[in-house]
Amino acid sequence: SAVISQKPSRDICQRGTSLTIQCQVDSQVTMMFWYRQQPGQSLTLIATANQGSEATYESGFVIDKFPISRPNLTFSTLTVSNMSPEDSSIYLCSVSGQGLGEKLFFGSGTQLSVL
Amino acid sequence: DQQVKQNSPSLSVQEGRISILNCDYTNSMFDYFLWYKKYPAEGPTFLISISSIKDKNEDGRFTVFLNKSAKHLSLHIVPSQPGDSAVYFCAASGPNFGNEKLTFGTGTRLTIIP
Repeated sequence: SAVISQKPSRDICQRGTSLTIQCQVDSQVTMMFWYRQQPGQSLTLIATANQGSEATYESGFVIDKFPISRPNLTFSTLTVSNMSPEDSSIYLCSVSGQGLGEKLFFGSGTQLSVL
Repeated sequence: DQQVKQNSPSLSVQEGRISILNCDYTNSMFDYFLWYKKYPAEGPTFLISISSIKDKNEDGRFTVFLNKSAKHLSLHIVPSQPGDSAVYFCAASGPNFGNEKLTFGTGTRLTIIP
């Protein structure tokens, strides 16, 4: 399995500001993903964080709003930029890859509230 | 377009009885299915999975059934325990799991009544 540390666990932010969420894995992983869960909604994939190159974004998500870094195989960040109340969600880091079986492992999530 | 649907947002079951959570999907390319459990303030944790070459997979108290012709899967928990109270998500992937995204349902909140 993989142990994933995600920080911060929660934050309350002002409209127009940005927040960077960190995801640290205890082992090297092939794939890292960022998901969002809006209140009462399903988990929606934002992007795949690619090591050493630009992230791959899903339809409806853009790099200017959700810049992602992945400098190595154990760490990634997601920034939520120029926040509005509609960005209030749980943001989840997840990983999969060789040695982890056909499973997706999740961090504990970041509960973001935007005022 | 919700390709994975969990039509019951909530379910209450007496402790010791069977809990049955249902999930329907529309994409015939889905090949691999997973169930996750989520407690408040925690990330989802993997429960059980099933490949489309099977129609049943069992792990302890948890059994997942897949009916490909009906594009339907279900999770059975027996006997249900108070610690099973959580939100359950089903998820689906194409054949290249790990290199393609998981599509999640909206979740079912299961409450086990002592």
